[in-house]
Amino acid sequence: DAGVIQSPRHEVTEMGQEVTLRCKPISGHNSLFWYRQTMMRGLELLIYFNNNVPIDDSGMPEDRFSAKMPNASFSTLKIQPSEPRDSAVYFCASSLGPEAQYFGPGTRLLVL
Amino acid sequence: AQRVTQPEKLLSVFKGAPVELKCNYSYSGSPELFWYVQYSRQRLQLLLRHISRESIKGFTADLNKGETSFHLKKPFAQEEDSAMYYCALSNPYSGAGSYQLTFGKGTKLSVIP
Repeated sequence: DAGVIQSPRHEVTEMGQEVTLRCKPISGHNSLFWYRQTMMRGLELLIYFNNNVPIDDSGMPEDRFSAKMPNASFSTLKIQPSEPRDSAVYFCASSLGPEAQYFGPGTRLLVL
Repeated sequence: AQRVTQPEKLLSVFKGAPVELKCNYSYSGSPELFWYVQYSRQRLQLLLRHISRESIKGFTADLNKGETSFHLKKPFAQEEDSAMYYCALSNPYSGAGSYQLTFGKGTKLSVIP
């Protein structure tokens, strides 16, 4: 298996633009997680899905953030409009039940 | 509520010295614990899981339920061990049949040549 795949790996955009991050989980995993990592705040869980259904989105910072999982092999995290404080590394991870989570390589987002 | 505490933000040791990264947890059920490692500008990688009781890259961790600890140890540090280390606790999300990880804040290990 190729592991968790994320795209793009790097994204530079201007304030106010829409940003879409993509994730393909490991085949057969039933849970998918979106995290944000910054120097100031560390690793934060934004939202997670179980069997394609959002379970807990309490970590989503505000209405500018939204996430979808239309099927078991694809998820998106969208920021609209983006702001400089959204600059961070965004990780996607997947797991099967109580097993370990496996992380993707991350998307480094810079909002100017 | 579940909680994972890593008391040291930064730990510096000399090459060849023993390493112990501390992790304490608070959880009412039977814990499922993990250690993750993140090398500079890379993804978090699973280092080891307590249930497997294996040694990875010379690291071991023993679950001590009495002290609610899961410290990570290595007898002889190597320069390539320099990284960020996260302790994590798996807990079920009530009523949803799913699980999430509660992460500690992480400890940055720096091995001095």
